[in-house]
Amino acid sequence: AQSVTQPDIHITVSEGASLELRCNYSYGATPYLFWYVQSPGQGLQLLLKYFSGDTLVQGIKGFEAEFKRSQSSFNLRKPSVHWSDAAEYFCAVALSGTYKYIFGTGTRLKVLA
Amino acid sequence: DAGVIQSPRHEVTEMGQEVTLRCKPISGHNSLFWYRQTMMRGLELLIYFNNNVPIDDSGMPEDRFSAKMPNASFSTLKIQPSEPRDSAVYFCASRVEWNEQFFGPGTRLTVL
Repeated sequence: AQSVTQPDIHITVSEGASLELRCNYSYGATPYLFWYVQSPGQGLQLLLKYFSGDTLVQGIKGFEAEFKRSQSSFNLRKPSVHWSDAAEYFCAVALSGTYKYIFGTGTRLKVLA
Repeated sequence: DAGVIQSPRHEVTEMGQEVTLRCKPISGHNSLFWYRQTMMRGLELLIYFNNNVPIDDSGMPEDRFSAKMPNASFSTLKIQPSEPRDSAVYFCASRVEWNEQFFGPGTRLTVL
């Protein structure tokens, strides 16, 4: 069955430290890949997406993600975290040509001053 | 661009009452999705419309839930009668063709 795994439920980092959020998927083919961020009381905002091409994708707010086919992973990174990055982050996948997203369970990021 | 608009943002009602949630997708988007988010189950797709036609409603929990999309700029999700276990945040999202989904701010529903 198709699935998306975000193994870290909570992550705490200090402001200015680097960040990596993990996402692994289980699909038979290369899916479309997304990272969304949800601040408290808000909807989901798209950070970045991967459809094809360059496997290193740049997004908004200084985030980037790398698609690694061999590892079925799409990890999100940021070199220096800001206090405003504290939020919940969701990885999502969709098969090309389909409408259904499979969301991970989310990783809640806490940033220490 | 105003983004996806949802109303109300918060709704508190009593068990047995009818609840109607509203969504205005982004202009030009031809697909609309309703999701429910809870701590226990995460994000669940309830129903998907394409060009105003319901394509997949397999996620609708039961007959108490219904959704309509009378035109390209408006959709409703109705719960009748509501139950405490329906308490959740309900999101509407829209997209154009096979691009990414844009989410609204959500409606936080509390059923007492």
